[in-house]
Amino acid sequence: SQQGEEDPQALSIQEGENATMNCSYKTSINNLQWYRQNSGRGLVHLILIRSNEREKHSGRLRVTLDTSKKSRSLLITASRAADTASYFCATVTTSGTYKYIFGTGTRLKVLA
Amino acid sequence: DAGVTQSPTHLIKTRGQQVTLRCSPKSGHDTVSWYQQALGQGPQFIFQYYEEEERQRGNFPDRFSGHQFPNYSSELNVNALLLGDSALYLCASSLQGTGNTIYFGEGSWLTVV
Repeated sequence: SQQGEEDPQALSIQEGENATMNCSYKTSINNLQWYRQNSGRGLVHLILIRSNEREKHSGRLRVTLDTSKKSRSLLITASRAADTASYFCATVTTSGTYKYIFGTGTRLKVLA
Repeated sequence: DAGVTQSPTHLIKTRGQQVTLRCSPKSGHDTVSWYQQALGQGPQFIFQYYEEEERQRGNFPDRFSGHQFPNYSSELNVNALLLGDSALYLCASSLQGTGNTIYFGEGSWLTVV
């Protein structure tokens, strides 16, 4: 299957802690995007990291690459209750196509 | 600057009926993609439209069809609805080309009874 896999599937942390989510694919990863989805709503774009980048920051977000595991991780630092949501990674796994493959998502709960 | 807008937000249909969902892309975007998201799952790619033509299609039957208009807005049509078509249908827009960020609307919740 080309579907990405996020782990953990669910994560519960205290406000102020860091949250780390991993995204892995069986095939090579091209540009990778991370999205947040609040319950029953649309997806909000968080950050795009290109295949030639090893790390990228945006505010409290940091994305890093592990080429040996074909995975990338999303780190949310100093988490807030408002960060409670599902987080999805998405990539185009075949160069030259337009079909984004999404992972199964990580459900993050930040406790106040 | 309006983002991606979709209508309707919620609708209920009966098995066998047909449904049309609408999407207006983010200002300046010329490419529209449609995704289906079942409860608890990630979005699944249905198809993408560019220059009023279907450019790529996912693993969905012919009951799923679409259209893009000259103003770049788009419609998703589903015929002969099945209970399994119940899902959140998401429209996403982007600039044409691979690797560009895609921006999503709030989605249309379809319930088939």
